[in-house]
Amino acid sequence: DTGVSQDPRHKITKRGQNVTFRCDPISEHNRLYWYRQTLGQGPEFLTYFQNEAQLEKSRLLSDRFSAERPKGSFSTLEIQRTEQGDSAMYLCASSSQGDSGNTIYFGEGSWLTVV
Amino acid sequence: GDSVTQMEGPVTLSEEAFLTINCTYTATGYPSLFWYVQYPGEGLQLLLKATKADDKGSNKGFEATYRKETTSFHLEKGSVQVSDSAVYFCALTYNQGGKLIFGQGTELSVKP
Repeated sequence: DTGVSQDPRHKITKRGQNVTFRCDPISEHNRLYWYRQTLGQGPEFLTYFQNEAQLEKSRLLSDRFSAERPKGSFSTLEIQRTEQGDSAMYLCASSSQGDSGNTIYFGEGSWLTVV
Repeated sequence: GDSVTQMEGPVTLSEEAFLTINCTYTATGYPSLFWYVQYPGEGLQLLLKATKADDKGSNKGFEATYRKETTSFHLEKGSVQVSDSAVYFCALTYNQGGKLIFGQGTELSVKP
């Protein structure tokens, strides 16, 4: 069990550019979550997949944000036309439908800085 | 809707002091409850959990008991260390799936 892994860990991009983050969940987990966290704040929910189906999306996930999980394994989060307000840590997490408590495990996060 | 409320921080303690961080929740169903810890610049680490009423979660000297009657899940530790300095988040989710709902976090600072 290698845990939830995220890539890249740090990304600096110019305003207006597109960025993509990848998340590899714990191998047997079929649920995958994306959160955003800004400095001094708690994590804000963005979206949630069960297998390849995107079951819930936050209003925070504007049309510049898109998340996919094409084969129910890894997921990508793409931000188009980045803005300075997108600077944050993007956290991925996963859990197993077979876990009666739905314990959710987080990755180390991907830091985005938009300059 | 469901929500989690934590005591405001920062909490500053001396080493070996007793720690309590209060957490209360509002839920429409029967959630599982969690405490996560976040060290500076890092992601969230699961600290402990409880999946039903009266369960006690424990890990690394930290404990919390799921109290349905008071809708609380307070975090306690008998003797804190400097290395416990971090931000602590209380959260809930449902076992049938769905997102974690977080409290606002409580920063703990332990001085030698």
